[in-house]
Amino acid sequence: QVQLQESGPGLVKPSQTLSLTCTVSGGSISSGGYYWSWVRQHPEKGLEWIGHIYYSGSTYYNPSLKSRITISVDTSKNQFSLKLSSVTAADTAVYYCAREPLKFGISGYVDYWGQGTLVTVSS
Amino acid sequence: ENVLTQSPGTLSLSPGERATLSCRASQSVSSSYLAWYQQKPGQAPRLLIYGASSRATGIPDRFSGSGSGTDFTLTISRLEPEDFAVYYCQQYGSSPRTFGQGAKVEIK
Repeated sequence: QVQLQESGPGLVKPSQTLSLTCTVSGGSISSGGYYWSWVRQHPEKGLEWIGHIYYSGSTYYNPSLKSRITISVDTSKNQFSLKLSSVTAADTAVYYCAREPLKFGISGYVDYWGQGTLVTVSS
Repeated sequence: ENVLTQSPGTLSLSPGERATLSCRASQSVSSSYLAWYQQKPGQAPRLLIYGASSRATGIPDRFSGSGSGTDFTLTISRLEPEDFAVYYCQQYGSSPRTFGQGAKVEIK
C-alpha cells in the first residue's frame, strides 16, 4: 500500500521560503499513472489545492499561488517537494502531500494522502 | 474559479438515520468530475466518491453519490458511529481544482 510522508520545518519566518518534502513508499513515482500533489488546510477551515507534478517534471499550479510556488520531483529518492516563497501568516496551514490517479488523461481527485504537517508562519 | 457551496453546514442526526449532503457548484462541473471526502479530527481526508457516483476502494455501500451539472448529493443510508465527521466535495473538471467549505455530520 502506498504511503506518503511529509517532512520539513514546522516554523517559518515571514518573507522566507517554506520548503517541504514528501517521501513516497510502497510504490514508485517513476512508474507513472499518477500526479503527485500538495494540498493545504488553513486552521479550522477548508482545503486548498496547491499544485501537482508528474514524474517527468511536468507541473501545474493553482493560479492564485503560481507566482510563489515551485514543485519538483526527485525520482531517485522517490520524493517530491514544495517551495513556497515570500510567506505570510496567511500561509499558516496543515500541508498535505497526496496522490492523484491519472485515468484516460484526467486527474484531479486524491486517493492517498500523507498525514499532514502543520507549518506556522511567525517571527 | 468554480465555487462549491455545501449545505447544510451542520447536520445533527442519530446513528441509523439517513444523511443527505448537498454540494452546489457556481458553474457546471465538466463530465461530473466531482469527488467527496470524509475527514475526522486530526486526520487527513479520505476519498469516498469520485466521478460523482463511483465509490472508492473499500468504501461501504451505505455511501452513495449522485448528481450532475451544478447539483450533487452525498447520501449515507444508515449512519454508523464512525460516520460522524466533516465531509468535503471537490470538483476537478476545471482549473483550479476547488473544494467546498465542508459539512459536519454530528451526533444528535
